[in-house]
Amino acid sequence: NAGVTQTPKFQVLKTGQSMTLQCAQDMNHEYMSWYRQDPGMGLRLIHYSVGAGITDQGEVPNGYNVSRSTTEDFPLRLLSAAPSQTSVYFCASSYSRPVSMKMNTEAFFGQGTRLTVV
Amino acid sequence: GDSVTQMEGPVTLSEEAFLTINCTYTATGYPSLFWYVQYPGEGLQLLLKATKADDKGSNKGFEATYRKETTSFHLEKGSVQVSDSAVYFCALGTPSGTYKYIFGTGTRLKVLA
Repeated sequence: NAGVTQTPKFQVLKTGQSMTLQCAQDMNHEYMSWYRQDPGMGLRLIHYSVGAGITDQGEVPNGYNVSRSTTEDFPLRLLSAAPSQTSVYFCASSYSRPVSMKMNTEAFFGQGTRLTVV
Repeated sequence: GDSVTQMEGPVTLSEEAFLTINCTYTATGYPSLFWYVQYPGEGLQLLLKATKADDKGSNKGFEATYRKETTSFHLEKGSVQVSDSAVYFCALGTPSGTYKYIFGTGTRLKVLA
């Protein structure tokens, strides 16, 4: 089982460059999300998607774009990288449920992408 | 809004010591609660979970009980090993349809031989 696959594992960008962090899952999960992890701040939600064609902003969306054209893939785009975006990025996926049902499932995480913007 | 507060680290223990990492939460409705573990250079792995009040999650000797009256989900282990050295995250899953997860800041555990 591949689970959640993120690429690349490491990346160095110059300020102003653009790039896309890739995330793919093979568990047929509806819900996918991107987090950034910074020292002393835990994981903060950037963007999330509850299904193909549907995305929404999380806690820290500025500077990032996402799209969800398929159930499997959820790429994160940095249009113009800034040093403040230096972080470790994690993609996660899980099943979703209607509001009327109790949530009882966990998120599965990728291995992370360590991004440095200089 | 919903939030998770966990004790700050680092926590340093000797092998075979008892471990407690405190976690409290604020949420509307009835969230599910999780503990995740992150080993160096890796992603987060689910350690245990509980979906309703008084549920006890357990795995690999770790336990946590969902206490609605104290809004807590403290992680415990009776005898830690060096291999337990990692960062531990408490998290809640919001009960709304959008399925958001909210994480604590993480607690680094170091176990000495």
